[in-house]
Formats: sequence, structure tokens, C-alpha cells
Amino acid sequence: AQSVTQLDSQVPVFEEAPVELRCNYSSSVSVYLFWYVQYPNQGLQLLLKYLSGSTLVESINGFEAEFNKSQTSFHLRKPSVHISDTAEYFCAIFYGQNFVFGPGTRLSVLP
Amino acid sequence: DVKVTQSSRYLVKRTGEKVFLECVQDMDHENMFWYRQDPGLGLRLIYFSYDVKMKEKGDIPEGYSVSREKKERFSLILESASTNQTSMYLCATVGAGPSGNTIYFGEGSWLTVV
Repeated sequence: AQSVTQLDSQVPVFEEAPVELRCNYSSSVSVYLFWYVQYPNQGLQLLLKYLSGSTLVESINGFEAEFNKSQTSFHLRKPSVHISDTAEYFCAIFYGQNFVFGPGTRLSVLP
Repeated sequence: DVKVTQSSRYLVKRTGEKVFLECVQDMDHENMFWYRQDPGLGLRLIYFSYDVKMKEKGDIPEGYSVSREKKERFSLILESASTNQTSMYLCATVGAGPSGNTIYFGEGSWLTVV
């Protein structure tokens, strides 16, 4: 069965500090990988995705994630966070016609 | 842009009431989903549908049913609401194309059962 693990349920970090949100997955078939962000009282929005090609993917707001097939990981990073990055982040895999989401990581950026 | 609209953002219902959560998408996508989101549990799939009048159970279908009479509309029904169904409900749709499959979410419906 396919599964997604996000080991960190909460990550507090000071503004302008770097951050890494970890994501590992388990799958017996090839998958697509996604990161979604959920701001307070809103639905989930696509942050970035890996389908094929370069293993490093970037979003428009400075986040990046690197697909590591040998470690089955897709960690999300940002070199310098802003207060506005405070949100919950979900890692997800897509295979066939199904999505599987991780439990989420709540990122809190402190002034 | 894809638009997924959940008609009710905040609802308060009494135990035993029948509850309808409506979701409409404007991109002619075949695949639609209902999730519930609870703290520490992430998103859990309730039901999904690949076509009109077609439905499949997800991971937690108990206490729920769905209806897909038209392609753009996917309704979640709680036949007899209970307090443990207090949650945030998210509707989603999946598109396809040259850039691959991506899931699009509505804004969510917060349901409180008292």
C-alpha cells in the first residue's frame, strides 16, 4: 500500500531563518509528488509538484523540493522564511487515479 | 483557473439532522473527491467519483453517502449527523493534461454537530 509520512507535526522557526519540512513516501509503483499549502480557514493550494525530469522543483514564492528516489523522500525547503509562510503544509503522492496525503506539518514563523 | 465551489463554508447542525454539502466544479473534470480533515489526522478520503452516477468508497465512508447526478456537482450527505462528524470537509477535483494530474480543492466546509 502507498503511504506518506511527515515526521514533524509542528515546526516553529524565526523569520528569515531557513526551514526544511520532511516528507517520505512508500510506494510499490511510480508516483507523482506534490506539496500543498493550507493557510488558515482556507482550502489546500498547490505549492509545487514533481512529475519527471529535474529532481529539483521550485515554487514562485521561494520554496523548493528535491525528489530523492533512493531515499523515497521529497523534502521541502526555503532558505529564508517570512511571517506570511505560516501555514500547514501537506506532502502528497499521486498514482493511478488516487492521491494519498501525509498528516501535515504546521509551520509557524515567529517574529 | 479551476474553480471548485463549496456552497456552505460554516454550518451548525443538530445530532440526527440530515446534512447536505454541495460541491460544484467548472472544469469538466471527471474525478471528484470528498475528504474530511481533522487535526493530527490529515486528509482522509470519504468517497470519490469517476463519472456521473458513479461512486466509490474511500477510507472512511461510514455514516456518509454521496450523489453525482451531474458531472459538475458532487454532493456529500450525512444521513443522521453525529458529533463525531464535526470536522472540516474538503471537496476536490482532479484534472489531467500535458502537465500531469493535479488535485484542486474547494475552500472547505466547517461542520459543527451539536
